[in-house]
Amino acid sequence: NAGVTQTPKFQVLKTGQSMTLQCAQDMNHNSMYWYRQDPGMGLRLIYYSASEGTTDKGEVPNGYNVSRLNKREFSLRLESAAPSQTSVYFCASSLTGSNQPQHFGDGTRLSIL
Amino acid sequence: GNSVTQMEGPVTLSEEAFLTINCTYTATGYPSLFWYVQYPGEGLQLLLKATKADDKGSNKGFEATYRKETTSFHLEKGSVQVSDSAVYFCALSEGGSNYKLTFGKGTLLTVNP
Repeated sequence: NAGVTQTPKFQVLKTGQSMTLQCAQDMNHNSMYWYRQDPGMGLRLIYYSASEGTTDKGEVPNGYNVSRLNKREFSLRLESAAPSQTSVYFCASSLTGSNQPQHFGDGTRLSIL
Repeated sequence: GNSVTQMEGPVTLSEEAFLTINCTYTATGYPSLFWYVQYPGEGLQLLLKATKADDKGSNKGFEATYRKETTSFHLEKGSVQVSDSAVYFCALSEGGSNYKLTFGKGTLLTVNP
């Protein structure tokens, strides 16, 4: 019962380095999402993919890129990491429809020095 | 745009106390409403949902009623347990083809024995 799997769980980067956060779901969901969680800010949507082959910007897309590799996988890339991107990143997936709940991974804790 | 406002925490209760966490929302259209719970070090889990006015969502002793007239979705539990200690997030998903989630900032609940 894997659900949504995120890798890595923890990462420390230096300013200017790049990295890709991986996300995979095994629930045959059409839609996938990337959020960041910061203290006192709740969760903010970075990018989402309503279906395979499509991606759209969320609330805070600057400094990030995404790839919907196939129906299962949705990756988030930081091209040139900045300290302001220190956060906990969550991937989620859902069936299509506004009444469908999203299922979340356990998060990636990213620190940028 | 859409927004969700939750009561600010932290909330500290004794075991068996009554819990209310207030949530109000602003949205166009007819959103679906959700409560998610996040235990320490984990991702978010769906607690309950309601998809139309006057619906009551319930799970694990928690309840919330979709009140369109007051644009509210307050979370209640009659008798909390130590294991309910977590962060609770209210969220909405707008109707139609737009099913991104908008989250409140979260309320930290601590239940003492």
